[in-house]
Amino acid sequence: GEDVEQSLFLSVREGDSSVINCTYTDSSSTYLYWYKQEPGAGLQLLTYIFSNMDMKQDQRLTVLLNKKDKHLSLRIADTQTGDSAIYFCAVAPNTGGFKTIFGAGTRLFVKA
Amino acid sequence: DVKVTQSSRYLVKRTGEKVFLECVQDMDHENMFWYRQDPGLGLRLIYFSYDVKMKEKGDIPEGYSVSREKKERFSLILESASTNQTSMYLCASSPLSRDFNYGYTFGSGTRLTVV
Repeated sequence: GEDVEQSLFLSVREGDSSVINCTYTDSSSTYLYWYKQEPGAGLQLLTYIFSNMDMKQDQRLTVLLNKKDKHLSLRIADTQTGDSAIYFCAVAPNTGGFKTIFGAGTRLFVKA
Repeated sequence: DVKVTQSSRYLVKRTGEKVFLECVQDMDHENMFWYRQDPGLGLRLIYFSYDVKMKEKGDIPEGYSVSREKKERFSLILESASTNQTSMYLCASSPLSRDFNYGYTFGSGTRLTVV
């Protein structure tokens, strides 16, 4: 079945850029998402990209998609301590929404 | 502010107890989901529902059941709680759409400890 993989931990200094990577196996994935989970909270949808796009930018966030390599990344510019959280990559193959598959999450630790 | 509300943030239950986790959404969403979250394993789908009284098994349904009597409410039931069901439980909802997959809105989670 579909698999989504992420590294489990990333540490950066405040002000640097963070890049969180994700790979997936199902080439029919149509929607690709990044969610953020702050301590003690549920997941919050950060951004998404369609499979027919290469890049999407939203303020400090840049999502890059390499469809050939099935690789998705989230870049956070000027990382702040408030960005410390777990970031989940998720993919969905169609508009039904039932088959969204989540990665294990990458814990981002921002050092002041 | 639209949201998904889970009735308890923390629960401690004894082995063998019947446990009810409640989730309510105010967005008129058709789809509702229950996940459990464990460190290093990410989110695993337990059950989902796409309509009132409809339910489908997810990836790890064993030991769980669900109930959806009203559109806004989706309950997860642990028939006889066991220690390996100690986990964070997350409820989510999404609208039914043929044109766009909006992603999920999550509740804040219920951290269940079974002793």
